[in-house]
Amino acid sequence: GAGVSQSPSNKVTEKGKDVELRCDPISGHTALYWYRQSLGQGLEFLIYFQGNSAPDKSGLPSDRFSAERTGGSVSTLTIQRTQQEDSAVYLCASRTEAVNTGELFFGEGSRLTVL
Amino acid sequence: GENVEQHPSTLSVQEGDSAVIKCTYSDSASNYFPWYKQELGKGPQLIIDIRSNVGEKKDQRIAVTLNKTAKHFSLHITETQPEDSAVYFCAAIPTGTASKLTFGTGTRLQVTL
Repeated sequence: GAGVSQSPSNKVTEKGKDVELRCDPISGHTALYWYRQSLGQGLEFLIYFQGNSAPDKSGLPSDRFSAERTGGSVSTLTIQRTQQEDSAVYLCASRTEAVNTGELFFGEGSRLTVL
Repeated sequence: GENVEQHPSTLSVQEGDSAVIKCTYSDSASNYFPWYKQELGKGPQLIIDIRSNVGEKKDQRIAVTLNKTAKHFSLHITETQPEDSAVYFCAAIPTGTASKLTFGTGTRLQVTL
């Protein structure tokens, strides 16, 4: 497809389980972001990948959160030992150029519910 | 780091009226200010942006103004229509080495008939 694709669109899990969220960015986009949107809240930055550079992990809320980007394309956000406060919509975005003022193209998000 | 505050959190206007959303930022190095619109069940989408070398930018019914001295910027929507109903996010970033776009907390705009 032409846009950013995220899967699953919805995920319900039990507290303590691990989850993986996947993002397929737009082909050729070198920059990839993960943001978290809690109910009624803004967009909280989690992690940023740019080409082969070391990722900016400064937004990850705890060591239970990690992300990878393989081959400069697909990214996976992993949350270990999920907690109820992890419930949110996780948004992935990609951008074409290395300059950080380009337009971010967002996916529709993965809604995570931790029971 | 950058901190962006956005007001109001909710805004209800009648169709045809104007809507104004205001944001302030903390980092004087920020010089790029985009606005994103998020419709229900969708990801945010860029609708307009402004750079610090201009004070105002307009695109049809949407305009943004920037006051660098006061470190605030605003989104103006004129002749609102029901399809303008959405959540709007402002954001700020310094160009150069900074990597992350810092977003405001969002404004839910409801345009009523």
